Amino acid sequence: DGGITQSPKYLFRKEGQNVTLSCEQNLNHDAMYWYRQDPGQGLRLIYYSQIVNDFQKGDIAEGYSVSREKKESFPLTVTSAQKNPTAFYLCASSILTGGDYGYTFGSGTRLTVV
Amino acid sequence: AQSVAQPEDQVNVAEGNPLTVKCTYSVSGNPYLFWYVQYPNRGLQFLLKYITGDNLVKGSYGFEAEFNKSQTSFHLKKPSALVSDSALYFCAVRRTDSWGKLQFGAGTQVVVTP
Repeated sequence: DGGITQSPKYLFRKEGQNVTLSCEQNLNHDAMYWYRQDPGQGLRLIYYSQIVNDFQKGDIAEGYSVSREKKESFPLTVTSAQKNPTAFYLCASSILTGGDYGYTFGSGTRLTVV
Repeated sequence: AQSVAQPEDQVNVAEGNPLTVKCTYSVSGNPYLFWYVQYPNRGLQFLLKYITGDNLVKGSYGFEAEFNKSQTSFHLKKPSALVSDSALYFCAVRRTDSWGKLQFGAGTQVVVTP
């Protein structure tokens, strides 16, 4: 079955550590996105990518970094510069042409600072 | 400015009663509109979409939505709510000033009581 996989489901970070969240899709989607969701809140866009080796900052990119070396993969690194990283992180993907532009979401990664 | 608004943070309804979740949008041109649902600690799941055609769109789990161009609305409805419909609901519109990125509303928490 095609889908989008996020791992791990739960992640714990110590102060000052960088951590990387994985996002892999086998849908052959062009675009991929990372969102942050705080408790009871909406989605805030961190980074997005339309094509391999290219990505753009979203609304809250500070303290985060991404790469897009393969079409299927869009990992997110939460750096030590992100002062309040505890949140639920969602990855999504979409077709850019020939589709309806709807997103497919992963099941999320819950990051907690310990 | 392109935007989507969900005017209610929370909607409370008794099981068996009709459920309506409101969404209004502002976008130039023909809108592509979506509804997603999120259960606790899960990713967003697609419910339904309006691209073109009939103004009444039927989706998953007995939900439907009515596109109203004159009122720029896309309200989500269910004739008889279930306790299991309790979740966070997001409306989204495809931005026409970019390459297909979706603009999400802030979300509406639906609470269905037995």
